[in-house]
Amino acid sequence: GENVEQHPSTLSVQEGDSAVIKCTYSDSASNYFPWYKQELGKGPQLIIDIRSNVGEKKDQRIAVTLNKTAKHFSLHITETQPEDSAVYFCAASEGGGADGLTFGKGTHLIIQP
Amino acid sequence: KAGVTQTPRYLIKTRGQQVTLSCSPISGHRSVSWYQQTPGQGLQFLFEYFSETQRNKGNFPGRFSGRQFSNSRSEMNVSTLELGDSALYLCASSLSTTNEKLFFGSGTQLSVL
Repeated sequence: GENVEQHPSTLSVQEGDSAVIKCTYSDSASNYFPWYKQELGKGPQLIIDIRSNVGEKKDQRIAVTLNKTAKHFSLHITETQPEDSAVYFCAASEGGGADGLTFGKGTHLIIQP
Repeated sequence: KAGVTQTPRYLIKTRGQQVTLSCSPISGHRSVSWYQQTPGQGLQFLFEYFSETQRNKGNFPGRFSGRQFSNSRSEMNVSTLELGDSALYLCASSLSTTNEKLFFGSGTQLSVL
């Protein structure tokens, strides 16, 4: 089955700086890669996703890049703000959804004022 | 538009008991997936239902089961509870069955004593 590794487990950045979270996956059949943000007491919220036929996708301050050859994808958050503090999860899925999403272990992002 | 609703929010049970959790998906969403979240194992796929049929199941024992009703609402049941079943149980709904664009509820926090 799929295995997703996520690094770092904790990331502390100054407000206004950029944050980068990296994930690797094992199954070359995976073709959908979402990123979720989870705040305390809430369920994960989809913030951006990318399919394997696209190398990069941006949405305002958030971007995701995908390298299919190396089997890794990254989340980039620019101009970080206090409300970006949360746990971020990457995930991977094979098209058709046979085994559900396979999640990384999460990154606790801390924005220092 | 109302989000995914999960009830109850918190549950305390003792070993050997059984429990039923409920999930109401976003209106119009026919796919409902369940995930277990623990500090040690992270987010793990339990099963997915679409049009009242279980499509896929993750690597969990048969004590974990579920069903979906004609209005797309779903329930999951855990029988003969074990201490290790203590977790946050998350329900997610989506329009399709491809694992894309999952919307999660806030979860049911189950504590087994």
